[in-house]
Amino acid sequence: DAKTTQPTSMDCAEGRAANLPCNHSTISGNEYVYWYRQIHSQGPQYIIHGLKNNETNEMASLIITEDRKSSTLILPHATLRDTAVYYCIVRVTGTASKLTFGTGTRLQVTL
Amino acid sequence: GAVVSQHPSRVICKSGTSVKIECRSLDFQATTMFWYRQFPKQSLMLMATSNEGSKATYEQGVEKDKFLINHASLTLSTLTVTSAHPEDSSFYICSASGSRIRGLRVGAFFGQGTRLTVV
Repeated sequence: DAKTTQPTSMDCAEGRAANLPCNHSTISGNEYVYWYRQIHSQGPQYIIHGLKNNETNEMASLIITEDRKSSTLILPHATLRDTAVYYCIVRVTGTASKLTFGTGTRLQVTL
Repeated sequence: GAVVSQHPSRVICKSGTSVKIECRSLDFQATTMFWYRQFPKQSLMLMATSNEGSKATYEQGVEKDKFLINHASLTLSTLTVTSAHPEDSSFYICSASGSRIRGLRVGAFFGQGTRLTVV
């Protein structure tokens, strides 16, 4: 079973920041927080991951609370192309570690 | 990110026939590959995990004789849906993880998916 809880859906105006929350209150010390997104009829796309420090890359920022029980994915300037289902997943590192998908958050970016 | 190529992207087959889906890691060595299935408006469900050179591990409820997985090389895994039925119609997605030539670990990256329709 997925170990994360996310809102079912969110809306965001184009150009604004999209803040997608995720709860992972049972996360273990060796589990990372991963974010993927899936645009309709495509395979999931990796966005970002982190352990306990905040992370930033060219796509997004990841803010992890100090107790690691929740995190927020931030898309700083959402565009229509960011409309997708966003999945927050906790996973131990290692190439053989599987990804278990929950229901995700459907983000709709509007004009 | 790393590149995972899945082929075909779309296939229609007759009931009772078999269909093979290929998943290739193009710029890294995939020691582990994962196969998922996704029904409309649902999340991805893991079907099986395969390590190069060994038998796949199937998730509970997935028929190993129906969904044959081969991971014979570090860059290729195949999923064969045998004796396909209309209820097997779904979106099948592979994921690969491993390491680059210099040993740097690569996270899990996904193929584009294959839309299978059994008529």
